[in-house]
Amino acid sequence: DTGVSQDPRHKITKRGQNVTFRCDPISEHNRLYWYRQTLGQGPEFLTYFQNEAQLEKSRLLSDRFSAERPKGSFSTLEIQRTEQGDSAMYLCASSLAGDRETQYFGPGTRLLVL
Amino acid sequence: DAKTTQPPSMDCAEGRAANLPCNHSTISGNEYVYWYRQIHSQGPQYIIHGLKNNETNEMASLIITEDRKSSTLILPHATLRDTAVYYCIVRAYGQNFVFGPGTRLSVLP
Repeated sequence: DTGVSQDPRHKITKRGQNVTFRCDPISEHNRLYWYRQTLGQGPEFLTYFQNEAQLEKSRLLSDRFSAERPKGSFSTLEIQRTEQGDSAMYLCASSLAGDRETQYFGPGTRLLVL
Repeated sequence: DAKTTQPPSMDCAEGRAANLPCNHSTISGNEYVYWYRQIHSQGPQYIIHGLKNNETNEMASLIITEDRKSSTLILPHATLRDTAVYYCIVRAYGQNFVFGPGTRLSVLP
């Protein structure tokens, strides 16, 4: 257990529905990252926050995806109008900014879109 | 794209040392070498990282060549629970972590 938690751990939804995932980082960490991982691939960066500011978004993050970190603590990732191609593991990681920054990952949320 | 090259898979006998190579021939002077592993259906787990000097912790040792163009992660006494995908990443401050496909290590009884 790294101290990063994610909820839910599994989500099955029908195409077209909206889903929201939550990540609770290690409490003193100021950075929070979201990644997506499909079968057989390494995690792919989606976006990250430093405190409550969203500093970078990947081109993978389409308009249907939105992430927030309103008080600089927990974060949510929402996918609107889900598509079957959104089926993946969504991973959250947190860290303290710095040149020796180390990210600690949560267990992930596995999404299946039917 | 990942800046590292790793073999897609390796086997190791239980109780023996597992030596996982990583090539990062284009590494810059300010980039660290990080190793993570991912056990099936779990999030990636941090193992170790270093800049120039060799590093050791309770999990593993990291050996970085003098020219920094390659490194080796050593698990001194591999157990069945070390079966996982191992990712080697080079990253400088301000850069994102870019994961490649990694090396699938199978520890055999």
